Amino acid sequence: AQTIHQWPVAEIKAVGSPLSLGCTIKGKSSPNLYWYWQATGGTLQQLFYSITVGQVESVVQLNLSASRPKDDQFILSTEKLLLSHSGFYLCAWSLGFSSAETLYFGSGTRLTVL
Amino acid sequence: GDSVIQMQGQVTLSENDFLFINCTYSTTGYPTLFWYVQYSGEGPQLLLQVTTANNKGSSRGFEATYDKGTTSFHLQKTSVQEIDSAVYYCAMRDTGANTGKLTFGHGTILRVHP
Repeated sequence: AQTIHQWPVAEIKAVGSPLSLGCTIKGKSSPNLYWYWQATGGTLQQLFYSITVGQVESVVQLNLSASRPKDDQFILSTEKLLLSHSGFYLCAWSLGFSSAETLYFGSGTRLTVL
Repeated sequence: GDSVIQMQGQVTLSENDFLFINCTYSTTGYPTLFWYVQYSGEGPQLLLQVTTANNKGSSRGFEATYDKGTTSFHLQKTSVQEIDSAVYYCAMRDTGANTGKLTFGHGTILRVHP
């Protein structure tokens, strides 16, 4: 069975500090990977997607970056956090891009920027 | 661009009440429509998907259909239980998109009282 693990579960960070969030998918080879962001009280918004190792596409510009150093790992980061980065960050995977593909989400990381 | 409108921000029901949540969508392509459920502190999980207009999807007592003519899709359950309390999101993926992107509605908070 496939599992998706996100870390950390929660972070409280200062404005201007760096951030690194991680996600690991086990049990599935070469998945498509995604980062979604959910502002408090808001909807889910796709930030990045990746089809293969080393390749990441940005969907929305939020002064964040993403990398895929290994087939099963996806990293979200920034060197300088903004207050507006607060929210719930979700990693997800799917088998492909076809319309019927299900998106499987991790449990998320709650980020509070003060 | 693609959009999904989910008007009901919060629904409060008693156990065994009938649930109906409606969404409308806008796309130039051919969508597959989804309902995701998010329990407190967790990532969203797939509840239902509907690939073809006027077809029904069903899972755990929930049913979903979409109407291409009115570009609307809805989720219903005949008799809700307290354990159904969660946030329900409608979402859409355009078959022509090559980003795997799901466009989500803003979510409906369902509270079911015993």
